[in-house]
Amino acid sequence: NAGVTQTPKFQVLKTGQSMTLQCAQDMNHNSMYWYRQDPGMGLRLIYYSASEGTTDKGEVPNGYNVSRLNKREFSLRLESAAPSQTSVYFCASSERTGLLSGGYYEQYFGPGTRLTVT
Amino acid sequence: LAKTTQPISMDSYEGQEVNITCSHNNIATNDYITWYQQFPSQGPRFIIQGYKTKVTNEVASLFIPADRKSSTLSLPRVSLSDTAVYYCLVGGRGAGGGNKLTFGTGTQLKVEL
Repeated sequence: NAGVTQTPKFQVLKTGQSMTLQCAQDMNHNSMYWYRQDPGMGLRLIYYSASEGTTDKGEVPNGYNVSRLNKREFSLRLESAAPSQTSVYFCASSERTGLLSGGYYEQYFGPGTRLTVT
Repeated sequence: LAKTTQPISMDSYEGQEVNITCSHNNIATNDYITWYQQFPSQGPRFIIQGYKTKVTNEVASLFIPADRKSSTLSLPRVSLSDTAVYYCLVGGRGAGGGNKLTFGTGTQLKVEL
């Protein structure tokens, strides 16, 4: 049981290049998320997918696109990378979104992808 | 989303109890309080969640007063491996499992020998 896996671990891009960050989870979770974390900052939500077939914008979606390929996989694409997108990107999953008796569903995070755009 | 305020950093020694307080004056009725832990170069990890009074699990305790305007994460007998950033999250559909999980800058806990 690997949990949440992300590829690649590191990536360097030139301004204007494109790339796709891959994320997969093996916990049969319905919901998946993409976050970015800038140095010394907390995480900010980019996009999320509450369930297979749906995606929604988070706090900082500009410059990104996502695809929920199937229940396991959720990819994040940078069409034209910019230096401002230099960050660490985390993927996460949870059984569901929202509130149920006893509190919110726990999110499980992957190890992150460190992206540098020059 | 309720705004949270927590100390930027704290220092402790091994074997001591550490209490990290989070202030959330505008917490809403339906909000839960959730804490995550993050080690360097890793994603955050869920620690504990509560609504009121006290919650305890194998890792930590969470104390929430009756007015719920603050909460305290208590880590018993910390070790070097507890050195990490701790995030307090409070809010609508985001605190620990909702649509908009909003992290502040967290509290950097440093544990020394």
